[in-house]
Amino acid sequence: DSGVTQTPKHLITATGQRVTLRCSPRSGDLSVYWYQQSLDQGLQFLIQYYNGEERAKGNILERFSAQQFPDLHSELNLSSLELGDSALYFCASSTRTSAADTQYFGPGTRLTVL
Amino acid sequence: AQSVTQLGSHVSVSEGALVLLRCNYSSSVPPYLFWYVQYPNQGLQLLLKYTSAATLVKGINGFEAEFKKSETSFHLTKPSAHMSDAAEYFCAVRPNFGNEKLTFGTGTRLTIIP
Repeated sequence: DSGVTQTPKHLITATGQRVTLRCSPRSGDLSVYWYQQSLDQGLQFLIQYYNGEERAKGNILERFSAQQFPDLHSELNLSSLELGDSALYFCASSTRTSAADTQYFGPGTRLTVL
Repeated sequence: AQSVTQLGSHVSVSEGALVLLRCNYSSSVPPYLFWYVQYPNQGLQLLLKYTSAATLVKGINGFEAEFKKSETSFHLTKPSAHMSDAAEYFCAVRPNFGNEKLTFGTGTRLTIIP
């Protein structure tokens, strides 16, 4: 158990819908990262927050957004969903933003768009 | 820009045999390198990381990796495979400064033959 929790574990929805994925980082970690894992794209970094502020952006679509709240939990919002958005979405956390910091991954949310 | 190449998307070894998973990196600046393992239906777990200290890095579960700058490699080894080692393994690279993203390879699925 990494100490990172993600809810829900599974999500099935229809095209055009909007969903929210939630992540609670390890106790004391200030950085939260979101990743998408799919068969065709592999593991892709989406976005990072540090202590409530956006710090880095990766291959995140405009239809996707995220935020980190004062209690440090984070939410990833996916809207106007398409079939291709079906994937595993991972949250990871680390103590700070140092390049050497270990990122601890949650168990993931499996999103299926029908 | 940085990237990693994992040679062999599938590797099979017999129980008790040497495990060798290959990773070559490309980075315009000195890198930090990571190996993660993903068991079925779980998140990623850090096995080991290279952060500019010793070039031979020992990790969990008997795994180790050696950073070879001349070969731009960071191959993962384990002297004797165990059935519980069956999983997917990801090599990842990150520049050793700043807040650049963690870039993952495409993964190697390790199968252990009894």
